[in-house]
Amino acid sequence: NAGVTQTPKFRVLKTGQSMTLLCAQDMNHEYMYWYRQDPGMGLRLIHYSVGEGTTAKGEVPDGYNVSRLKKQNFLLGLESAAPSQTSVYFCASRRTGPETQYFGPGTRLLVL
Amino acid sequence: ILNVEQSPQSLHVQEGDSTNFTCSFPSSNFYALHWYRWETAKSPEALFVMTLNGDEKKKGRISATLNTKEGYSYLYIKGSQPEDSATYLCAFVSTGNQFYFGTGTSLTVIP
Repeated sequence: NAGVTQTPKFRVLKTGQSMTLLCAQDMNHEYMYWYRQDPGMGLRLIHYSVGEGTTAKGEVPDGYNVSRLKKQNFLLGLESAAPSQTSVYFCASRRTGPETQYFGPGTRLLVL
Repeated sequence: ILNVEQSPQSLHVQEGDSTNFTCSFPSSNFYALHWYRWETAKSPEALFVMTLNGDEKKKGRISATLNTKEGYSYLYIKGSQPEDSATYLCAFVSTGNQFYFGTGTSLTVIP
């Protein structure tokens, strides 16, 4: 049982480049979340999904897109990276109901 | 945008001291309140999920209480140990399943 995994662990991008971050969970969880973590800002929700094929905007969705084509995977896309998107990105998943979230190890992204 | 506030921002205590932190959140659209422990260079790990007004949860030396009517939760650590050093996060979960995290309380326990 790997839990929640994230790929890649670290990436450097140039402004304007695109990339996709992959989150995978093997716990059959319905809900999946993408957060960014910035100094002094805590964790902020970018997008989330309540089930396969569904996505919704969180607190800071601008500049990001997501897809949940398979229940176990939640992809976060940056179409045209900007320096303001330099951050640590965390994925999380959970079961339905008032259940705890399980977090992935994080992806550190640097946009130059 | 919904405001979840945690206080204090940071705390240094001596080994053996007991301590507590506060999480304040809106009293409307409440679904659940989560507490997480976040060690440096790791991912947040769950401590408690609380849903009912008056809930009290306990895990070892750590406990938490919840007041949904006035919008606050307290986390208590009894007899702090150096391994308790971490950032403690709370998250308000709305009825729409969105999570709103506070900025955390950073605890350092001095041996």
